[in-house]
Amino acid sequence: AQKVTQAQTEISVVEKEDVTLDCVYETRDTTYYLFWYKQPPSGELVFLIRRNSFDEQNEISGRYSWNFQKSTSSFNFTITASQVVDSAVYFCALSGRVRFQGAQKLVFGQGTRLTINP
Amino acid sequence: DSGVTQTPKHLITATGQRVTLRCSPRSGDLSVYWYQQSLDQGLQFLIQYYNGEERAKGNILERFSAQQFPDLHSELNLSSLELGDSALYFCASSASGQGPSYEQYFGPGTRLTVT
Repeated sequence: AQKVTQAQTEISVVEKEDVTLDCVYETRDTTYYLFWYKQPPSGELVFLIRRNSFDEQNEISGRYSWNFQKSTSSFNFTITASQVVDSAVYFCALSGRVRFQGAQKLVFGQGTRLTINP
Repeated sequence: DSGVTQTPKHLITATGQRVTLRCSPRSGDLSVYWYQQSLDQGLQFLIQYYNGEERAKGNILERFSAQQFPDLHSELNLSSLELGDSALYFCASSASGQGPSYEQYFGPGTRLTVT
C-alpha cells in the first residue's frame, strides 16, 4: 500500500525566514511519482511540481526548491525568503506507475498548514 | 485558473436527500477524478473515469456513484446523505496514458453541507 506522511501539522514563521516542509512516503513500486500541491485560504488546490522516481535531481523554481532523496524516501519542499502570500496548506502526494490505460490515483498526506506572519 | 470547472460552488441540503455535483475537465483531458476533503479524513480519492469508463476506485461509499458522459464532463451523485458527508468535493482532470502518472489539475471544489 502507498502512504504519505507529513509529520508537521502546522508551521508558523516570520516573513523572510526560510521554511522546509517535510514529506516521507512509502511504496513498493519501483516507478512512482511525487507531487506537491498548495491549498491557499480560498480553497482551490494548485499544482506545484511532479517528480518521477528516476530523477533525483533537486529542482528550484524561484523561491521554491524541492529535495528528493530516495534513500530516505523523502521529498521535502523549501520556501526561501517566505512571504505572507505563501500562507497555505501544502500537500505532498504519491502515485504509482499507470499499469492500466488511464488508471491513476493520488495518495495525499495530511497536509502542513504554513502561516507566514508579517 | 486550472481550467477545470465545478458546479455548484456551495450546496446545503438535508439528511436523506440526494445531490449531484458536476465537473467539466480541462480541454483535451480524458481522465476525471473525484476527491473528498474532510477534516477527519483529509483528501481521499473516490473514483476515476477515463474516456467514459471507470478506471480506478477508492474509498467510495455505495451511496455515492459517478459517471462520465460522452462530452467528458462528469457527475458525482451522493444519495441518502448523512451529516458525515459534509465535505469539500474536488474534481480533477489530467492527461492520461499508460506508464507516466501525470499531474492532476483541480477544480475549485463544491462545498457540501448536510444539515
